Amino acid sequence: AQSVTQLGSHVSVSEGALVLLRCNYSSSVPPYLFWYVQYPNQGLQLLLKYTSAATLVKGINGFEAEFKKSETSFHLTKPSAHMSDAAEYFCAVSILTGGGNKLTFGTGTQLKVEL
Amino acid sequence: KAGVTQTPRYLIKTRGQQVTLSCSPISGHRSVSWYQQTPGQGLQFLFEYFSETQRNKGNFPGRFSGRQFSNSRSEMNVSTLELGDSALYLCASSLDLAGNYGYTFGSGTRLTVV
Repeated sequence: AQSVTQLGSHVSVSEGALVLLRCNYSSSVPPYLFWYVQYPNQGLQLLLKYTSAATLVKGINGFEAEFKKSETSFHLTKPSAHMSDAAEYFCAVSILTGGGNKLTFGTGTQLKVEL
Repeated sequence: KAGVTQTPRYLIKTRGQQVTLSCSPISGHRSVSWYQQTPGQGLQFLFEYFSETQRNKGNFPGRFSGRQFSNSRSEMNVSTLELGDSALYLCASSLDLAGNYGYTFGSGTRLTVV
């Protein structure tokens, strides 16, 4: 079965600083990996996805993530944090099994951006 | 193009009642999945439908059920509501079953059981 671990339930950075949100996955087969962002009282917005193409994936709002098979990691980064980046971020893994598919989410990381 | 539409946005129900939530996927998307989000359990998979057939199911009791119509719209039903069913219910649609193009989520339905 697949699983996702997000290290750090809360991360705080200064505006303009590097954002690094960590995600490690466990999967017996090559996974698809996703990062989603959730603002208060909203659904999930897709930031980026890895589906076995390029290992460095660029997403929206300046975010990117690198798939590292040897480390089973898919960390999310942004060079310079903005106040509007404050939200909860979820890493998810997806595997097609049998006739169906599902996303398995990590527990989320709340990002706080300070002036 | 229109995103994933979930109705209603908010619901308050009494314990023991039943509730039906609706999800309209992005036009052309044939896969619809449902997730429950709670502070304690996080995001948990309920079920996935593709071409009107349930393809995958999470570990939820039989009180949780769903269906998909020929136009890909989906409904989920929860019978005999319990206080613990209070949650944000999210629907996601995708173009294919494998998720090659990612999943687009709706804004959710906030269910409160009193």
